[in-house]
Amino acid sequence: KNEVEQSPQNLTAQEGEFITINCSYSVGISALHWLQQHPGGGIVSLFMLSSGKKKHGRLIATINIQEKHSSLHITASHPRDSAVYICAVNRGQGAQKLVFGQGTRLTINP
Amino acid sequence: GAVVSQHPSWVICKSGTSVKIECRSLDFQATTMFWYRQFPKQSLMLMATSNEGSKATYEQGVEKDKFLINHASLTLSTLTVTSAHPEDSSFYICSASTFSYNEQFFGPGTRLTVL
Repeated sequence: KNEVEQSPQNLTAQEGEFITINCSYSVGISALHWLQQHPGGGIVSLFMLSSGKKKHGRLIATINIQEKHSSLHITASHPRDSAVYICAVNRGQGAQKLVFGQGTRLTINP
Repeated sequence: GAVVSQHPSWVICKSGTSVKIECRSLDFQATTMFWYRQFPKQSLMLMATSNEGSKATYEQGVEKDKFLINHASLTLSTLTVTSAHPEDSSFYICSASTFSYNEQFFGPGTRLTVL
């Protein structure tokens, strides 16, 4: 079993829908990251969380440390949000190496 | 935000040749750089971690002599794929971070095709 599990693996939705991507992890972490990878391959760091909730524009990320679970929400989704979203964690304290989930492929249709 | 560049963005080479990929942090000093490999529709696989001025730490199963990593300055790390073979064809991505800070800034990636 992977240390970081994402669901769903694939998600197709219509423009305007509210999107939720989930991430569960089984190890102690110092931080959790949400990354976005566009079809061209480039990766953008969306959020780094160690507790609570963060919001940036239409994106919201939450983390529940006790339940070892994080969610990424996209409000008013748009076709340009189509990408692979990757959850990754810094395992343990002081570890810079990331452990990655398998990614969620999101497609937003107009 | 912090910017990391990679060069080249894509490269095609013949089997047996060596290819060098550069990773640069443009507006910050990167004490640590990471090199990843990604196969189609798969997640990133960490190949090695390099700290400025010291030898890279390779992940299990990654051949040190095949994937040479040099981190000569706080803004530049290079990955050289030596004697490349078609099975080395992949998407290589670097990331950079500063000392004791967990956030990593990713480069745009280099697509390597070995004929």
